[in-house]
Amino acid sequence: NFLLTQPHSVSESPGKTVTISCTRSSGSIASNYVQWYQQRPGSAPTTVIYEDNQRPSGVPDRFSGSIDSSSNSASLTISGLKTEDEADYYCQSYDSSIWVFGGGTKLTVL
Amino acid sequence: VQLQESGPGLVKPSQTLSLTCAVSGGSISGGVYYWSWIRQHPGKGLEWIGYIYYTGSISYNPSLRSRVTISVDTSKNHFSLKLSSVTAADTAVYYCVRAAAGVIDYWGQGTLVTVSS
Repeated sequence: NFLLTQPHSVSESPGKTVTISCTRSSGSIASNYVQWYQQRPGSAPTTVIYEDNQRPSGVPDRFSGSIDSSSNSASLTISGLKTEDEADYYCQSYDSSIWVFGGGTKLTVL
Repeated sequence: VQLQESGPGLVKPSQTLSLTCAVSGGSISGGVYYWSWIRQHPGKGLEWIGYIYYTGSISYNPSLRSRVTISVDTSKNHFSLKLSSVTAADTAVYYCVRAAAGVIDYWGQGTLVTVSS
């Protein structure tokens, strides 16, 4: 199976844009959809991006997702950062009936 | 759709952890869904445990496969997790989730299970 590697933490100021990467260790990032989940402290995760770049209803368009085959990675970009975006973010994908989560990235908005 | 985990919050080492996820607002046998368990060790990331598909097919995390059983009871509209031979390393918040095509759309609130004597 493969691993999904995320930076441990990122920080940015309110109003700015931040990008969180998720690199797949083996196999093509384009082979299986990537999802992104947001988890605020003390709460269950929620989906912010599914199928690489789709937003569930209710998720603001400040959140966007993409994949880059050249770096075999997926990215979550949050623009116009708000303090409420401060949370842990996890990427997730699957292959051969196995689901894999990235280790998570703590986003600090300061 | 709402998912609600239930089960003992404290399990002794070497025993079997048993959790149930009650599904409300929809039939567990209606639709093309995966019914899955995910856990999160204190202060750590998410770890997929396994799922049961609407067809009845099952997949487990290779690292837990020898100790995990996931099953569905359609008459009670719930699905279950059993994890045998637990140790302190199995202390975690356990989430039940529903997914469509590998995309999680509903999460339970999570339940903390502590393994301790």
